[in-house]
Amino acid sequence: DAGVTQSPTHLIKTRGQQVTLRCSPKSGHDTVSWYQQALGQGPQFIFQYYEEEERQRGNFPDRFSGHQFPNYSSELNVNALLLGDSALYLCASSRSTEQFFGPGTRLTVL
Amino acid sequence: AQSVSQHNHHVILSEAASLELGCNYSYGGTVNLFWYVQYPGQHLQLLLKYFSGDPLVKGIKGFEAEFIKSKFSFNLRKPSVQWSDTAEYFCAVNAPYSGAGSYQLTFGKGTKLSVIP
Repeated sequence: DAGVTQSPTHLIKTRGQQVTLRCSPKSGHDTVSWYQQALGQGPQFIFQYYEEEERQRGNFPDRFSGHQFPNYSSELNVNALLLGDSALYLCASSRSTEQFFGPGTRLTVL
Repeated sequence: AQSVSQHNHHVILSEAASLELGCNYSYGGTVNLFWYVQYPGQHLQLLLKYFSGDPLVKGIKGFEAEFIKSKFSFNLRKPSVQWSDTAEYFCAVNAPYSGAGSYQLTFGKGTKLSVIP
């Protein structure tokens, strides 16, 4: 049973560019959450998708947007990248309260 | 909104020593509590969780945690650590009936545990 998968593993972008990160949930899960983990910090909730709609959003600007597809996979888009967006981006999938995390995408903004 | 505090940033122990990592949360309503572990180079994994019932919960790899509602605490314990327990540990809370925040996990900043052989 494949767990949560994310792509790409690493990404380097420059300020002002746009980036798309992808997540495939664990089999049987219908909900995807995205988190940002800055160096030395705990993960911070960005948003959660359920039934292809954004169900809840954390304290992140509109530059962060997402999408969920009918097969429950999800994308996280970040526009107008800032140096401070450099972080590990984690995807978590769930069917109830317990969330299962993927390995993350390491984004570096230069 | 809920928040989580982890008291220790970095803990260094010798093998066979006992471990207790502190976690306090701030939220007055019903909470679900979690401890996650992140081994070097690996993804976050669930160690244990508390939803309701017995406040002493047992997790994987010999870890346990006690929920003390009056202290808003959920401390993680292990009687005897091993070198393989070297990792970063995160406490997290979910407030399922909090309305706007009911689906998110709120994490602490983490405690790095180094176990010396």
